[in-house]
Amino acid sequence: SQTIHQWPATLVQPVGSPLSLECTVEGTSNPNLYWYRQAAGRGLQLLFYSVGIGQISSEVPQNLSASRPQDRQFILSSKKLLLSDSGFYLCAWSDGVAGGRTDTQYFGPGTRLTVL
Amino acid sequence: SQQGEEDPQALSIQEGENATMNCSYKTSINNLQWYRQNSGRGLVHLILIRSNEREKHSGRLRVTLDTSKKSSSLLITASRAADTASYFCATESGNTGKLIFGQGTTLQVKP
Repeated sequence: SQTIHQWPATLVQPVGSPLSLECTVEGTSNPNLYWYRQAAGRGLQLLFYSVGIGQISSEVPQNLSASRPQDRQFILSSKKLLLSDSGFYLCAWSDGVAGGRTDTQYFGPGTRLTVL
Repeated sequence: SQQGEEDPQALSIQEGENATMNCSYKTSINNLQWYRQNSGRGLVHLILIRSNEREKHSGRLRVTLDTSKKSSSLLITASRAADTASYFCATESGNTGKLIFGQGTTLQVKP
């Protein structure tokens, strides 16, 4: 069966410090991978998605970046965190559907990031 | 811009009652999905309905889709305290490979 891991679970970082959040998927190959951010009490904002190694689509301009160095690994990074980067970060995967579509997405447990 | 908008934003009911949540969207879709999120956790997929389907059931869940009105509803029957969570609709359009989520409905089921 497929599983998705995210770490760390919680993170407290000072403004201006770097960030690296990691997400890995097991039990599937060539998944679509997604990074979302969720502000308190709000819906999910899609940040990045990837349909293959080295293929990253950015949804919103920001000081975050994403990389996919391996098929089942997705990393969210920042060189210098801002206060506004605080939030709940969720990684998700889905099977790639022919034609570039997506069906069900499976979410990791999330990382709670607080920037002070 | 937000594709899906849930209504109501918050809902409080007694255990055993039915809960209905609605979702409206703006553009044509391939499918619409409902997810559940317990506080501080990741989302869990509940049900997917395709654009050519009108109704779908899964256990105590019933989802309807009206593409002419660009709306969907999620009905939870005989609710339980364990159903307390936030519920989100999400739509998939075109060949984008991505879902657009609404802001969610927070459901509280009182024992």
